[in-house]
Amino acid sequence: GENVEQHPSTLSVQEGDSAVIKCTYSDSASNYFPWYKQELGKRPQLIIDIRSNVGEKKDQRIAVTLNKTAKHFSLHITETQPEDSAVYFCAARMVSGGTSYGKLTFGQGTILTVHP
Amino acid sequence: DAGITQSPRHKVTETGTPVTLRCHQTENHRYMYWYRQDPGHGLRLIHYSYGVKDTDKGEVSDGYSVSRSKTEDFLLTLESATSSQTSVYFCAIRGTDTQYFGPGTRLTVL
Repeated sequence: GENVEQHPSTLSVQEGDSAVIKCTYSDSASNYFPWYKQELGKRPQLIIDIRSNVGEKKDQRIAVTLNKTAKHFSLHITETQPEDSAVYFCAARMVSGGTSYGKLTFGQGTILTVHP
Repeated sequence: DAGITQSPRHKVTETGTPVTLRCHQTENHRYMYWYRQDPGHGLRLIHYSYGVKDTDKGEVSDGYSVSRSKTEDFLLTLESATSSQTSVYFCAIRGTDTQYFGPGTRLTVL
């Protein structure tokens, strides 16, 4: 099955700095890669996603890059703010036998702390 | 929040008792999922459903069963709860590509 490794497990930055979180996946057939943000006590919420036919996607201060050859993808947050502090999860959609049923395999999560 | 609710939101139970968690959606989505979230493990798939009465196992299905008799409801049952099943349980539905999560159920097994 798919395996997703996420690094770092914790990340501490100063307000205004950039933050980068990286994930690697094992199944070259994976074709969809979402990123979720989870605040304390809340549900995971999608912040950005990318499909395998695209190399980069941006949404204001957030961007995701995908390198299919190396099987890794990264989340980039620029001009970080204290409200960006949360746990971030990457995921990869598994494909097996020609279908995925939409199943996702998640990374272990990164605790991002932005200091004012 | 994508029209997903979970009940109960919190539950404390004792080892050996059966427990059923409910996920309800108002979006008429075909695919539904149950995950558990534990520190250091991210979100792990327990079971999923791809239609009424169509379900399959995820990566951590031992000790759990599911049922889906209606499109809108997906039930997760712990037949005989154990302390290792203390966790936060999230239900999710799938849109075009994205999964949207319910608010979660915090389950404590004493």
